[in-house]
Amino acid sequence: AQKVTQAQTEISVVEKEDVTLDCVYETRDTTYYLFWYKQPPSGELVFLIRRNSFDEQNEISGRYSWNFQKSTSSFNFTITASQVVDSAVYFCALSEAMNRDDKIIFGKGTRLHILP
Amino acid sequence: EAQVTQNPRYLITVTGKKLTVTCSQNMNHEYMSWYRQDPGLGLRQIYYSMNVEVTDKGDVPEGYKVSRKEKRNFPLILESPSPNQTSLYFCASSWGGETQYFGPGTRLLVL
Repeated sequence: AQKVTQAQTEISVVEKEDVTLDCVYETRDTTYYLFWYKQPPSGELVFLIRRNSFDEQNEISGRYSWNFQKSTSSFNFTITASQVVDSAVYFCALSEAMNRDDKIIFGKGTRLHILP
Repeated sequence: EAQVTQNPRYLITVTGKKLTVTCSQNMNHEYMSWYRQDPGLGLRQIYYSMNVEVTDKGDVPEGYKVSRKEKRNFPLILESPSPNQTSLYFCASSWGGETQYFGPGTRLLVL
């Protein structure tokens, strides 16, 4: 069965600190996709990254970086030098390539507070 | 600009009054879905569509209907809304297994 676990419900850090959001997933498929979405207070879902199961290369985009490790079924997200604008709920999500319903399974989200 | 649009963005209605939330995408995607987001429950899929005239139930379809008469549109219909359908609704589209693009969300309050 598919499952995404974000064990951290809420995190608060002071601005400019680094913060890592954890994501652990479960799937039986060998081909799948992992995502991170950001949901700011305004409510929309902002796509941040997609990774397919065959690409374990870590990715960096500005202050954001992602660490994908199949051995531990984890796809963690790090924000370096956090800023107040990073305050949001962050969702990790999983989609299996053979899913007929094209469903994305979301974790419950991690609410991140960046304190000035 | 590639986008998914939803209307209305905010809606307050009363129990039993039929309503429709529209969704449109301009990316020629085959797949479209509806999700609802509730505190503590996360996002759950309501219905999905693989192509025109092909729709199927997701995890929480009770009380909802959809149609896919054109590739770009995928309206969500609540024939007789009830208070437990108060939620934040998202429409999404994709090629299938690829990145899902979400609409801006519709906040629905059923009194």
